[in-house]
Amino acid sequence: QKEVEQDPGPLSVPEGAIVSLNCTYSNSAFQYFMWYRQYSRKGPELLMYTYSSGNKEDGRFTAQVDKSSKYISLFIRDSQPSDSATYLCAMISASGGSYIPTFGRGTSLIVHP
Amino acid sequence: ETGVTQTPRHLVMGMTNKKSLKCEQHLGHNAMYWYKQSAKKPLELMFVYSLEERVENNSVPSRFSPECPNSSHLFLHLHTLQPEDSALYLCASSQKVGSPETQYFGPGTRLLVL
Repeated sequence: QKEVEQDPGPLSVPEGAIVSLNCTYSNSAFQYFMWYRQYSRKGPELLMYTYSSGNKEDGRFTAQVDKSSKYISLFIRDSQPSDSATYLCAMISASGGSYIPTFGRGTSLIVHP
Repeated sequence: ETGVTQTPRHLVMGMTNKKSLKCEQHLGHNAMYWYKQSAKKPLELMFVYSLEERVENNSVPSRFSPECPNSSHLFLHLHTLQPEDSALYLCASSQKVGSPETQYFGPGTRLLVL
């Protein structure tokens, strides 16, 4: 079983839809959770960074962490064609000391006009 | 722009060539990383440098050789690569290693090995 599971998609939605992107994980030591957005021919850029459980909102984006289910989500409201990209989840364990992120393989999102 | 630049952006090389990838960060960070990104696979960490010292090497074949001459520059020297090494090579930096810092990525070098 991979440490972080993420459906590669593609996920295709119409403009204006609410998008839900998800990752599951197996390592209960993960405490820090991130979402990166990667446009074609670009490097990943950080969208959201959360610690432990709960919700965090930033504009149209909401990150949600459910540690009891080992499940994290990124919601995008009023999706736009410019949101079309690959979304990577990443997690950091609080044990071991290295604090190197473990990444999911990314979900490709297509928002069509 | 994230403050991390990479050159070249694209590279085609034969299996007998020697080439180098360059990364530069303008963020004042002390940690730098090389990742390999292949289609439909998670980012694979290759090397980690903290204050110019290598702190992690994830069983990467010796045909990849990193070099960190100072905290702003990171190189990846390539020689006798294989076609399966074709991928996007990403450089990243963070404030330091040893705490859950955000990583900032460069745009990557798209490598094709023929």
